[in-house]
Amino acid sequence: DAGVIQSPRHEVTEMGQEVTLRCKPISGHDYLFWYRQTMMRGLELLIYFNNNVPIDDSGMPEDRFSAKMPNASFSTLKIQPSEPRDSAVYFCASSKGGTGGYNYGYTFGSGTRLTVV
Amino acid sequence: QKEVEQDPGPLSVPEGAIVSLNCTYSNSAFQYFMWYRQYSRKGPELLMYTYSSGNKEDGRFTAQVDKSSKYISLFIRDSQPSDSATYLCAMSVSGANSKLTFGKGITLSVRP
Repeated sequence: DAGVIQSPRHEVTEMGQEVTLRCKPISGHDYLFWYRQTMMRGLELLIYFNNNVPIDDSGMPEDRFSAKMPNASFSTLKIQPSEPRDSAVYFCASSKGGTGGYNYGYTFGSGTRLTVV
Repeated sequence: QKEVEQDPGPLSVPEGAIVSLNCTYSNSAFQYFMWYRQYSRKGPELLMYTYSSGNKEDGRFTAQVDKSSKYISLFIRDSQPSDSATYLCAMSVSGANSKLTFGKGITLSVRP
């Protein structure tokens, strides 16, 4: 398995532009998570899905952020309009439901480094 | 007060040293405790997992959980330069696969 695949790896955009981040989870994983990482705040959960359904979006900072999971193999995180304070590394992670420990931990993608100028 | 607090670091030790990394938490409902390791410009990867209180050992790594004190630790014995990374503690109410709350992470550098 290729792991969790995120694209693009780097994105530089101007304030006010729309940004779309993409994620392909591991096949067979039924949970998908979007996190944001900054030096100041660390890793923060934005939203997560179970079986393509959003379960908890309380971490989404504001209405400028939206996320979708149209099928089990694809999710997007969209920021519109983008602002400089959105600059961060955005991680997607997936996991397999069920009881247990290691077998059911997260697998993270390599992240998208977003810079809004 | 944040739910999970982690010593900010950074931490620099000589090769072969014993390293102790710690986190405290405030939510008594946390039952699942993890340590993730993150190399530069990579995503975090699961290193250790513990359910409830107690110790778990895996090679040079030992994870300890003290729920009565709301305190978890990761010990690294005979530290190696390859252990240089950021270490994040993570906790969950309902499982290693569900919603996790992370500490901010501590960056460890092991000097040859």
